[in-house]
Amino acid sequence: AQSVAQPEDQVNVAEGNPLTVKCTYSVSGNPYLFWYVQYPNRGLQFLLKYITGDNLVKGSYGFEAEFNKSQTSFHLKKPSALVSDSALYFCAVRDYDYKLSFGAGTTVTVRA
Amino acid sequence: DAGVIQSPRHEVTEMGQEVTLRCKPISGHDYLFWYRQTMMRGLELLIYFNNNVPIDDSGMPEDRFSAKMPNASFSTLKIQPSEPRDSAVYFCASSYSTGGNQPQHFGDGTRLSIL
Repeated sequence: AQSVAQPEDQVNVAEGNPLTVKCTYSVSGNPYLFWYVQYPNRGLQFLLKYITGDNLVKGSYGFEAEFNKSQTSFHLKKPSALVSDSALYFCAVRDYDYKLSFGAGTTVTVRA
Repeated sequence: DAGVIQSPRHEVTEMGQEVTLRCKPISGHDYLFWYRQTMMRGLELLIYFNNNVPIDDSGMPEDRFSAKMPNASFSTLKIQPSEPRDSAVYFCASSYSTGGNQPQHFGDGTRLSIL
């Protein structure tokens, strides 16, 4: 089965600093990778995806992610974090059929 | 465009009662997923449908849980009888099937508390 791992439960950064949320994957074949964000009392919102092509993927709200096949990683990045980016972030990989396998989530706190 | 709509947003009921959660997927989406989210277990897939047909219900925890999708615009998740350990946030999500590269779109969930 396909799987992803998010090695950090929490990430804390100061506003204006770069933000990185880590994700590694384990798949057989080509990976379909996704990032989602969850704000309090809301459902998961899609940020971006990697299917094929350019290793740097741009998404919503100024986020981007870098696909690295040799390191089996798909880290989420934002050059300058905002307090409003504080949320729970999930990495996911397409499993068999159309299921998604989600990571455990990383809580991001951006302090003013 | 309207997103995935779930109702109710909050449900508080006593142990032993029947609970029905409702979901309206995005129009045109042919996959529908039910998830449960708890602090202890994170996000768990319970069941999913394709073209209204249940495909995989291996995540349904017990026979007390059942799900139906009578048409393309409506699905229910039922718990009967409910137990305190069923307390969680339940999410519905939908997606297109084309190529498997389409994201799932989530509703805002139903926060269920069983007393």
